[in-house]
Amino acid sequence: GDQVEQSPSALSLHEGTGSALRCNFTTTMRAVQWFQQNSRGSLINLFYLASGTKENGRLKSTFNSKESYSTLHIRDAQLEDSGTYFCAAEASSSFSKLVFGQGTSLSVVP
Amino acid sequence: AQTIHQWPVAEIKAVGSPLSLGCTIKGKSSPNLYWYWQATGGTLQQLFYSITVGQVESVVQLNLSASRPKDDQFILSTEKLLLSHSGFYLCAWSPYRQGGNTEVFFGKGTRLTVV
Repeated sequence: GDQVEQSPSALSLHEGTGSALRCNFTTTMRAVQWFQQNSRGSLINLFYLASGTKENGRLKSTFNSKESYSTLHIRDAQLEDSGTYFCAAEASSSFSKLVFGQGTSLSVVP
Repeated sequence: AQTIHQWPVAEIKAVGSPLSLGCTIKGKSSPNLYWYWQATGGTLQQLFYSITVGQVESVVQLNLSASRPKDDQFILSTEKLLLSHSGFYLCAWSPYRQGGNTEVFFGKGTRLTVV
């Protein structure tokens, strides 16, 4: 079936530093979304990409459908960035089904 | 602006008891609607989706059923809960678009504990 492989599974960053999360896809994906899940469980929409790169403040995301991957870059990490980050993608062959990665648990420490 | 409301916020239910979770979307006509389930510490798994009133497609069988009685309402239910039904249930919506999906937005979820 359609698979989304997300890495790393956990990440610890000091405030002010940055890193990248990555999702690899085993099939052609139509679009990708990135979410942050906070401690209450709410999913916050970060990005929706059908291709290319988008940037929003300290976050930047890229989706390369030909090479089947997407990345989420976080720079100048802040304490409030802590949470679990998920990528989710819709396969070109699967209408209306969003497949989630396993998530990255991010902890930002002082 | 569109709003999505889920109820209840949390439930503690006994094994074998019935369950009904609800979701209402306001400010958007004819949305695609979805139910997702998340085990504690796990990822999200799509359960059902609906593109129109009265039409629901099952993605994963978990002894649950879903219905869409109104354009803006999506219901998840079962007659007999199992321990494995515990978890976090999220309703979601996306604008309808012929031939493909668009950005999906989630409600705040219902936390279900089956004891």
